[in-house]
Amino acid sequence: AQTVTQSQPEMSVQEAETVTLSCTYDTSESNYYLFWYKQPPSRQMILVIRQEAYKQQNATENRFSVNFQKAAKSFSLKISDSQLGDTAMYFCAFMKRNAGNMLTFGGGTRLMVKP
Amino acid sequence: GAVVSQHPSRVICKSGTSVKIECRSLDFQATTMFWYRQFPKQSLMLMATSNEGSKATYEQGVEKDKFLINHASLTLSTLTVTSAHPEDSSFYICSARGGIRDQETQYFGPGTRLLVL
Repeated sequence: AQTVTQSQPEMSVQEAETVTLSCTYDTSESNYYLFWYKQPPSRQMILVIRQEAYKQQNATENRFSVNFQKAAKSFSLKISDSQLGDTAMYFCAFMKRNAGNMLTFGGGTRLMVKP
Repeated sequence: GAVVSQHPSRVICKSGTSVKIECRSLDFQATTMFWYRQFPKQSLMLMATSNEGSKATYEQGVEKDKFLINHASLTLSTLTVTSAHPEDSSFYICSARGGIRDQETQYFGPGTRLLVL
């Protein structure tokens, strides 16, 4: 079974600054996907970024980028130029490839962006 | 693209009644949908996987007779909470597996807040 750990329950960052959210996972699989989802106060889950494990290049989406360290089983999310709208719960998630697309979520990190 | 709707967004019901929640993929066909439950300040807990045209697969500890799931078409899955009790009060979220070119991603509905009095 896979486990996903987010060791930072809460974080805060000043507007326009950069923040990094940590995520580690445990798996014996070699073929998988990793995701970061954002859940703002509206509680709508929004896909932030996705990484395929077979790709060495770190995924980026505008101000969001990941640091994927496969050997260390680490998948951190960096948010650059933080905006007030980035305030949300952030969930790291793992999906084993070709196994029903089930997601295993971490416990979440509550990020507060301060003006 | 990849929009998932959920209805209702909020429901209050009396103990002992049944409540149906609908999950629709609006602009793609979803052969697989998922139902989650989320308690306040906690992560999402997978309840069941719903496959179009077949019986749902329930996670351990989830009562299949309590939480009835039907996936009758490629765009609609429903979750019925039968004989609801106050302990069933929670936030229920559905997600849909992406379309043909995006099957490794789940897209989430906006959630349904259920309050059982």
